[in-house]
Amino acid sequence: AQTVTQSQPEMSVQEAETVTLSCTYDTSESDYYLFWYKQPPSRQMILVIRQEAYKQQNATENRFSVNFQKAAKSFSLKISDSQLGDAAMYFCAYRRAGNNNDMRFGAGTRLTVKP
Amino acid sequence: KAGVTQTPRYLIKTRGQQVTLSCSPISGHRSVSWYQQTPGQGLQFLFEYFSETQRNKGNFPGRFSGRQFSNSRSEMNVSTLELGDSALYLCASSSLGGGSQETQYFGPGTRLLVL
Repeated sequence: AQTVTQSQPEMSVQEAETVTLSCTYDTSESDYYLFWYKQPPSRQMILVIRQEAYKQQNATENRFSVNFQKAAKSFSLKISDSQLGDAAMYFCAYRRAGNNNDMRFGAGTRLTVKP
Repeated sequence: KAGVTQTPRYLIKTRGQQVTLSCSPISGHRSVSWYQQTPGQGLQFLFEYFSETQRNKGNFPGRFSGRQFSNSRSEMNVSTLELGDSALYLCASSSLGGGSQETQYFGPGTRLLVL
C-alpha cells in the first residue's frame, strides 16, 4: 500500500526567509505523481506544485520548488522569500499513474510565518 | 472559469439522520472525487465518479454512497449518521478522463457536525 509521511507536524519561518517541508512516501510503483497542496484557514485546498515521477527535473512554481529524490522516495517543498500569506497547512500527496487511483495524503505540516 | 462549488457549506445533523452533500465541478470537468477530512484520520478518499459511474471507492462503510449526474454534478449521501461522521467533506474535480496525471481542483468543503 502506498503511504505518505510528513514527519514535521509544525514548522515556523521568519518572513522573507526560506523553509523546507519534508515528505517521504512508500511505493513499489515506478510511475506516479506527487503533489503539494496548501490548506489555509479557509479550508480550501489549493495546489501548490506537482511533480511527475518520470521527470528528473525538479518542479518549480515561482517561490515554490521541490527536491524530488526518486530513489530515496523523498519529495520536499522549499518555500523561498516566505510571506505571511504562506501560513497554512501543507499536505503532500501521492497518486499512482493510471485511472482508478485515489490520491493518498500525508498528515500535513502546519506552517507559521512570523513577521 | 468558476471553481468547484459545494453546498451546503455547513450542516448540523443528529445521530441516525441522513445527509446529502452536493458538488458542482469546474465546467468541463468530468471526474469528481470525494474526500473526508478529520483531525484524527486526516484526508481519506471516499470515492470517485466519472461519466456517471463510480470508478473507484475508498474503505468506507456502505452508509456512504454517491452518484454523478449527466452534467457531472455529484452528490454524496451518508445514511444513519454517527458522531464519527463529523468532518469536512471535500470534493475535487479534474478534466478529461480524470487520470492520475490530471490535477485535482478542490472545492471549499462542507463541514458536517453530527450531534
